[in-house]
Amino acid sequence: QIQLVQSGPELKKPGESVKISCKASGYTFTNYGMYWVKQAPGQGLQYMGWINTETGKPTYADDFKGRFVFFLETSASTAYLQINNLKNEDMATYFCARGNWELPDYWGQGVMVTVSS
Amino acid sequence: DIQMTQSPASLSASLGETVTIQCRASEDIYSGLAWYQQKPGKSPQLLIYGASSLQDGVPSRFSGSGSGTQYSLKISSMQTEDEGVYFCQQGLKYPLTFGSGTKLEIK
Repeated sequence: QIQLVQSGPELKKPGESVKISCKASGYTFTNYGMYWVKQAPGQGLQYMGWINTETGKPTYADDFKGRFVFFLETSASTAYLQINNLKNEDMATYFCARGNWELPDYWGQGVMVTVSS
Repeated sequence: DIQMTQSPASLSASLGETVTIQCRASEDIYSGLAWYQQKPGKSPQLLIYGASSLQDGVPSRFSGSGSGTQYSLKISSMQTEDEGVYFCQQGLKYPLTFGSGTKLEIK
């Protein structure tokens, strides 16, 4: 069955970096893009962008240009999200989701990132 | 960006009741609309795509309809396990955008 398994919760200080992984199984990794979605506490869903798993090319939504990096380890069917120079407003749960055209159809369980000094 | 407006923000329904949630897009999205259910502490689960196609494994009491800028999700007979937050999402243009969510509870 199709699964996206993400890494565990993170506790970081402002200014630090965090790397979140998303390991895919049950399908051919390079046949589908990977979306990243942010959900702040008690809030809705915010699209961050996506990465083309065939070429490795990332595309970022406007609010996520600069400190956010999407990359792949294709041999391990794993996508990564790295957030640099963490700010308080980055405190949220981050989801990866398989991109079936413009449809996030299967989602990871989410990673809660806490930013606190 | 395409704005998605969902209504109502919350509602409560009795077991067996029919529930309808609305979603309006700021421009025509040509049925490029999906619905998700999210339970507390869990990831969103896809229910409906292409405005009216039921995702595999989703109970048939869920249905979607609409066209142009107006879409709706219907639950034909509310069950306890249907409690959660429902989001719509447009997939016509990047950036993908989501509605603000509808919290559905049992009355």
